[in-house]
Amino acid sequence: EPEVTQTPSHQVTQMGQEVILRCVPISNHLYFYWYRQILGQKVEFLVSFYNNEISEKSEIFDDQFSVERPDGSNFTLKIRSTKLEDSAMYFCASSGRVVETQYFGPGTRLLVL
Amino acid sequence: RKEVEQDPGPFNVPEGATVAFNCTYSNSASQSFFWYRQDCRKEPKLLMSVYSSGNEDGRFTAQLNRASQYISLLIRDSKLSDSATYLCVVNPYTDKLIFGTGTRLQVFP
Repeated sequence: EPEVTQTPSHQVTQMGQEVILRCVPISNHLYFYWYRQILGQKVEFLVSFYNNEISEKSEIFDDQFSVERPDGSNFTLKIRSTKLEDSAMYFCASSGRVVETQYFGPGTRLLVL
Repeated sequence: RKEVEQDPGPFNVPEGATVAFNCTYSNSASQSFFWYRQDCRKEPKLLMSVYSSGNEDGRFTAQLNRASQYISLLIRDSKLSDSATYLCVVNPYTDKLIFGTGTRLQVFP
């Protein structure tokens, strides 16, 4: 069964450092998403991406965040200058069409010290 | 009012019990509805989509009441492996999914 994969599974970084989280969506999917979940809280939408551009973003997704699809398979989330409050689990998801089931990757646990 | 609201639980039930979870949503224009399951520190996994006509998948039954903006999930004959957090999820016909905080279920022997 096709699945979304994410690397790394865990990342520890110092405040102010840049991090790049990587995702490989399901191969025939066209819509890609990033969500985050702070420990003990609900899953929150960050951004959606379609046709090589951002289609929607939340207020959490400020100028410190960017997304990119550098090649035909990878989808990345970059945080330019990490803050303590960026510590969370980051989930990538993909879907074949908008308003269709989104399938989630296993997540990257980011810890900012 | 929260966009998606759920009772956080926990619901502690014995094996074999029937348990029901409820959820309300605030955006009446919402188009798609789902129940996801999340195990501790894992990703959300789709349990089932929810349709106005109601739908059943084995021991799981989901119902949607658009007039009341209410979604439910019924689990019959609970198994130990059903222990997880159940997430009510709404798509308001945009790209994003809106998650509830989840209802924790613990099934004991």
